[in-house]
Amino acid sequence: EAQVTQNPRYLITVTGKKLTVTCSQNMNHEYMSWYRQDPGLGLRQIYYSMNVEVTDKGDVPEGYKVSRKEKRNFPLILESPSPNQTSLYFCASSWGGVGNQPQHFGDGTRLSIL
Amino acid sequence: TQLLEQSPQFLSIQEGENLTVYCNSSSVFSSLQWYRQEPGEGPVLLVTVVTGGEVKKLKRLTFQFGDARKDSSLHITAAQPGDTGLYLCAGRTGGGNKLTFGTGTQLKVEL
Repeated sequence: EAQVTQNPRYLITVTGKKLTVTCSQNMNHEYMSWYRQDPGLGLRQIYYSMNVEVTDKGDVPEGYKVSRKEKRNFPLILESPSPNQTSLYFCASSWGGVGNQPQHFGDGTRLSIL
Repeated sequence: TQLLEQSPQFLSIQEGENLTVYCNSSSVFSSLQWYRQEPGEGPVLLVTVVTGGEVKKLKRLTFQFGDARKDSSLHITAAQPGDTGLYLCAGRTGGGNKLTFGTGTQLKVEL
């Protein structure tokens, strides 16, 4: 089954404790990205990657890191999480670039930073 | 900076009513997509429009891309409870690889 898998689905942690949210896709997609979703703001893009070792900032990259060492994986790293990073996070992938191809989303990761 | 504003933010209607959701921007988009999201899940693509003035229909849903490619609308005819969800527009500007999402419209259709 074609899918984007995020882990964990839920996480409660404390300020400053490094965490990683994993994302894996089995569709051989080149493009992967991370979004955060907050009430009234829709989804905002954090980082995206056009292919292995190629990453770029989205609209809200501060406080986040990503890496793309393999085509299927695109982890999101919070080196020193803060309460303002409490949010619902989505990973997505697609063929080629954005806009003309459907973005396939994972089911989300709800992070709470205390 | 939020480039895509959706209206209304919330909409609660009865089954059988018609509705229109708007997605507006001051920027020109090379393409625009509409997604629907249900609780506990990621958004799912409904349609992609790429040509100014383009109209696409998906059963009871009609999507239109503005002539200037700065706005779009989603019209639902005879809404059903299964249409309930968060509707999101998303646009790509120029030849870039960023996808900007709108603020979202939460639709609830009651029996």
